Amino acid sequence: GAVVSQHPSWVICKSGTSVKIECRSLDFQATTMFWYRQFPKQSLMLMATSNEGSKATYEQGVEKDKFLINHASLTLSTLTVTSAHPEDSSFYICSAAGLAALREQYFGPGTRLTVT
Amino acid sequence: AQSVAQPEDQVNVAEGNPLTVKCTYSVSGNPYLFWYVQYPNRGLQFLLKYITGDNLVKGSYGFEAEFNKSQTSFHLKKPSALVSDSALYFCAVRDTDQNTGNQFYFGTGTSLTVIP
Repeated sequence: GAVVSQHPSWVICKSGTSVKIECRSLDFQATTMFWYRQFPKQSLMLMATSNEGSKATYEQGVEKDKFLINHASLTLSTLTVTSAHPEDSSFYICSAAGLAALREQYFGPGTRLTVT
Repeated sequence: AQSVAQPEDQVNVAEGNPLTVKCTYSVSGNPYLFWYVQYPNRGLQFLLKYITGDNLVKGSYGFEAEFNKSQTSFHLKKPSALVSDSALYFCAVRDTDQNTGNQFYFGTGTSLTVIP
């Protein structure tokens, strides 16, 4: 099956710094990538949808200037958490969908962000 | 709008007994339904999906789910639970509107514990 990787798998940063998380589709071209956020023992909340070569579409309540998403190629999307604060600590998961008609989504393993 | 509900936060079952994790859905149009499993600090792993066809869908690791249109349900089942099945299970419905990028809507998750 299709594989999606995320890097780093976990990261600790200081408050006020920025952190970049990469999401890669390893063996297929992802026309659309999704970024989710998951708090402990809670469900996944969609943050934004990004299509290759265009601006991301953010869900209501998600600050686009704080969570910068770039989908520069068909195999890579990045999420940058700018000026991170402790409340940004969470588990971030990306998923990727290819060109097939039913556009199955494949999920990455997630990135644990801790802001101190 | 699409949505799924998982009425049980926690399900406990003895090893070897059958297990059921419940999911009900609300969609406009034809439902595309999915089940995913998540182990601690890991991403989502695909178990099975219903798009069309037989109401009983068989998936990975011996899991199956029954699509019931009249009850708008898509319960996940397994005839004999294993301790290794203990994890967080998410039901999801996929939007079929091309304009919204086929995004997923997740339930709140059900924590399954299989007792040895």
